[in-house]
Amino acid sequence: ETGVTQSPTHLIKTRGQQVTLRCSSQSGHNTVSWYQQALGQGPQFIFQYYREEENGRGNFPPRFSGLQFPNYSSELNVNALELDDSALYLCASSLRLAGGGRQETQYFGPGTRLLVL
Amino acid sequence: AQKITQTQPGMFVQEKEAVTLDCTYDTSDPSYGLFWYKQPSSGEMIFLIYQGSYDQQNATEGRYSLNFQKARKSANLVISASQLGDSAMYFCAMRENTGTASKLTFGTGTRLQVTL
Repeated sequence: ETGVTQSPTHLIKTRGQQVTLRCSSQSGHNTVSWYQQALGQGPQFIFQYYREEENGRGNFPPRFSGLQFPNYSSELNVNALELDDSALYLCASSLRLAGGGRQETQYFGPGTRLLVL
Repeated sequence: AQKITQTQPGMFVQEKEAVTLDCTYDTSDPSYGLFWYKQPSSGEMIFLIYQGSYDQQNATEGRYSLNFQKARKSANLVISASQLGDSAMYFCAMRENTGTASKLTFGTGTRLQVTL
């Protein structure tokens, strides 16, 4: 196991609602990335947090937002849920070194399965 | 933009045999990293192996090895002595450094089924 935890494991929401997903990073890691994986596809990058700031974002609308806390844990918030938001949401943690982490392997949590009805 | 291509939607291999999962990539960056992840039906992405673009030797991790052919832009995963527990989805991914962020771009995956 990687030590990356996510909650909840499963979630059912209705269209238009808001949802918050949580992630605890692996001990010693300072960077958290979020990915969305639709059924039958590879994960798609949503955004990345480092030092409590968003420092990179994929092709997702502003209703996808996040936070990183001083203990490096993170939240993903999705407002105005749409049916297409139904997916597996994966959180990954990594260690960014001061000089730039070339290897910077990302270790994933078990994911949260979100179903929007 | 970087792109990862996995052309094998599904593969079958007999237990104890070796199998190669194909991955080709496209990038204009001289410095990049290539990763393979395994995703069982439970959903968690499990890191298997990493290859840096400047690494001179092919990466190996236990039964996993990466056949890195830079000129052909391919990074195939070789699993030796397959086990029933190897049955899963396998994703090839490339790390792209977008400004200050380091994101992974994934292929569409290959479903591997190990048979008796």
